[in-house]
Amino acid sequence: QVQLVESGGGVVQPGRSLRLSCAASGFTFSNYAMHWVRQAPGKGLEWVALILSDGSKKYYADSVKGRFTISRDNSKNTLYLQMNSLGAEDTAVHYCARGASSGYFYSDYWGQGTLVTVSS
Amino acid sequence: DIQMTQSPSSVSVSVGDRVTLTCRASQGISNWLAWYQKKPGKAPKLLIYAASSLQSGVPSRFSGSGSGTDFTLTISSLQPEDFASYFCQQVNSFPLTFGGGTKVEIK
Repeated sequence: QVQLVESGGGVVQPGRSLRLSCAASGFTFSNYAMHWVRQAPGKGLEWVALILSDGSKKYYADSVKGRFTISRDNSKNTLYLQMNSLGAEDTAVHYCARGASSGYFYSDYWGQGTLVTVSS
Repeated sequence: DIQMTQSPSSVSVSVGDRVTLTCRASQGISNWLAWYQKKPGKAPKLLIYAASSLQSGVPSRFSGSGSGTDFTLTISSLQPEDFASYFCQQVNSFPLTFGGGTKVEIK
């Protein structure tokens, strides 16, 4: 069965960096686009970034463009999110999600999320 | 960027009720719309894609409709497990954007 397991979250000071990972299993990872989506405490969902299956194209939300980098290692079945210049507004549960078979812009399987807390 | 507006922000309903949630896009998005269910502490779940297509494994009491700028998600007979927040998302253009959500609460 499809499994996505995020890791790398934690407490980080403002201005510092953090790298999230998402380990995928149960499907052919290299065939699917992947997303990061986050939810701040008490807030709604916010789409963060998308990377195509071969890594050839990447797309970002305006709020993270220039600070975050999405990447993948298809040999390791792992998705990454490098987050730099973190601010309080980045405090959220970050989810990785698989691009759906019906269209990669939809997300059909999600991990349980990893919490990032930006605080001094 | 395309703004998505959901209404109401919350609704109180009873088990067995029919519920209709609304999502409006700031510009036309054809049928490039998804609906997700989100429960506290759980991962989001894709319910509807392409505005009206039911995701595999989702109960048939969920249905979606609309095109252009106005969309609805209908739950024909609310079940106890349906109490959750619901989010629409436009996938017509980048950046992809979600609506603010509608919380379905127990009356």
